[in-house]
Amino acid sequence: AQSVSQHNHHVILSEAASLELGCNYSYGGTVNLFWYVQYPGQHLQLLLKYFSGDPLVKGIKGFEAEFIKSKFSFNLRKPSVQWSDTAEYFCAVIAYSSASKIIFGSGTRLSIRP
Amino acid sequence: GAGVSQSPRYKVAKRGQDVALRCDPISGHVSLFWYQQALGQGPEFLTYFQNEAQLDKSGLPSDRFFAERPEGSVSTLKIQRTQQEDSAVYLCASSFPAEEAFFGQGTRLTVV
Repeated sequence: AQSVSQHNHHVILSEAASLELGCNYSYGGTVNLFWYVQYPGQHLQLLLKYFSGDPLVKGIKGFEAEFIKSKFSFNLRKPSVQWSDTAEYFCAVIAYSSASKIIFGSGTRLSIRP
Repeated sequence: GAGVSQSPRYKVAKRGQDVALRCDPISGHVSLFWYQQALGQGPEFLTYFQNEAQLDKSGLPSDRFFAERPEGSVSTLKIQRTQQEDSAVYLCASSFPAEEAFFGQGTRLTVV
């Protein structure tokens, strides 16, 4: 069965620090990949997505992610975080064999010190 | 409306009570998903509809859980004889097939 692993459960950074959140998935076939964000008290929102083409994708609010097929990874990055980036971040994958079922990782809580 | 709407936002149920959670997806979205999110965890897949057809219900934790989408639009997730372990946020999402999913605010169910 497909699965998504996010190894960082809680990350604490100071403002202006660089961010990288890890995401690995287990599926050998074609996938669509997503990062979602959940700000406190709000619903899940899409940050960015990868379907095909350039493996470096850019999303909203200065976030980007790189798809490395050989490593089954889709890490999220931001060069300089802001206090407003405090949120829960979820990596997700759709494997084409799974009737479009979206599988989520367990999430990474990001806390930014002002 | 413009987004996915879920009702009620909060539900407190006594153990053993039946509950029904409603989801209004984005108009025109073929795919509809239900997820269960426990505190501090990622959303766990429950079931998936394409139009009115329930294509995958492998995530439903027991036969007390039942979902339907009879006309391919609004969906209802029903939980019979609720137990304390059913306490969680229940998320609904809709999309076009294999595209990004748009989520509702969720229904927070507390079983006491």
